[in-house]
Amino acid sequence: DVKVTQSSRYLVKRTGEKVFLECVQDMDHENMFWYRQDPGLGLRLIYFSYDVKMKEKGDIPEGYSVSREKKERFSLILESASTNQTSMYLCASSAAGANYGYTFGSGTRLTVV
Amino acid sequence: AQSVSQHNHHVILSEAASLELGCNYSYGGTVNLFWYVQYPGQHLQLLLKYFSGDPLVKGIKGFEAEFIKSKFSFNLRKPSVQWSDTAEYFCAVNRGFGNEKLTFGTGTRLTIIP
Repeated sequence: DVKVTQSSRYLVKRTGEKVFLECVQDMDHENMFWYRQDPGLGLRLIYFSYDVKMKEKGDIPEGYSVSREKKERFSLILESASTNQTSMYLCASSAAGANYGYTFGSGTRLTVV
Repeated sequence: AQSVSQHNHHVILSEAASLELGCNYSYGGTVNLFWYVQYPGQHLQLLLKYFSGDPLVKGIKGFEAEFIKSKFSFNLRKPSVQWSDTAEYFCAVNRGFGNEKLTFGTGTRLTIIP
């Protein structure tokens, strides 16, 4: 069974901390994505990557950065966590091409206090 | 930029009722369309997708959706819902070429009353 694994299911961090969210896929997918999910707002794209060492900003990149050093791993970094970054973070991957849907991870619920 | 509208935020139905969830998108060119479902406490799963051919698409668990290009719509339907269909449903779209990222709607929460 193909999988996208997010390293933590729940995280609690303090304001100002640097936070790393890790995502690993085992499907040899080219594309990887980070979304945040908030009630009433749906899924909003933060960053995505179509290849190793490549990254592109999504719709809400402010306050975030990403790293993709290996094909299977895509990390989301909150440089200085703030309370408005409390959210559910979803990682997804897909094969190259627009016809394929995403495979999602289980999500990381981050609370910033 | 493309956008996706799901006008039903919360739908409550009794078991065996018929379901139709609305989805409209804004992009005028070739599109691929998707419906995802998120059951309570679980990850998002693909229900069905359309990228070409027959505009009536059948997915898993008895769901289907119809692509109506003239209405920019891709509504999700099921003739008879079950309690286990209680979940949040998301419509998504991308442009039908290249490595196009998905734009999601805000979701519809479906509650089925036994």
